[in-house]
Amino acid sequence: KQEVTQIPAALSVPEGENLVLNCSFTDSAIYNLQWFRQDPGKGLTSLLLIQSSQREQTSGRLNASLDKSSGRSTLYIAASQPGDSATYLCAVRNAGGTSYGKLTFGQGTILTVHP
Amino acid sequence: GAGVSQSPRYKVTKRGQDVALRCDPISGHVSLYWYRQALGQGPEFLTYFNYEAQQDKSGLPNDRFSAERPEGSISTLTIQRTEQRDSAMYRCASSLAPAGGTYGYTFGSGTRLTVV
Repeated sequence: KQEVTQIPAALSVPEGENLVLNCSFTDSAIYNLQWFRQDPGKGLTSLLLIQSSQREQTSGRLNASLDKSSGRSTLYIAASQPGDSATYLCAVRNAGGTSYGKLTFGQGTILTVHP
Repeated sequence: GAGVSQSPRYKVTKRGQDVALRCDPISGHVSLYWYRQALGQGPEFLTYFNYEAQQDKSGLPNDRFSAERPEGSISTLTIQRTEQRDSAMYRCASSLAPAGGTYGYTFGSGTRLTVV
């Protein structure tokens, strides 16, 4: 059974810092990995999608890497801003078997960026 | 539509009542997923559909939960005889390809269910 763990559970940083959020998964047979942002009372916003054959994806100040063999992904946020404050969720989609088609989520990292 | 639409946004119901939660996926999206999210946790898979066919319902917690997508578009998640432990945020997502393909998933804003 796939298990996804995110570290740290919470992170508070001053504005302008570069930061790294970590995600690990137990079953390396994944199809892809997706990072989401969750704001209170709102839906999940997709940030980056990395296919299993890719090593990284970039969007603006965000960069996500994937090391499938070691079961790890990191989300790098450059020059953090107060507007980046949210919960960040990592989700993996398994490559096949009974888990095909569904996402397994981590518990999330609560990020607070203070001015 | 432009996004995944869920209704109602909030639902308060008395224990023992049945509730129906609706999801309207992005137009043309083939696969549709239901997740449940408890406070402070990540979403947990409930069930998913490709077109109108329910492909996997292994995440439904018990037989009080059921879902349908009769015409391959709008889906309804029904909870019968609700219990307090059913209180959670229920999230729907859709994707362009069956089982997601190489595409990601787009989530709706969710329905916050409170059973009193």
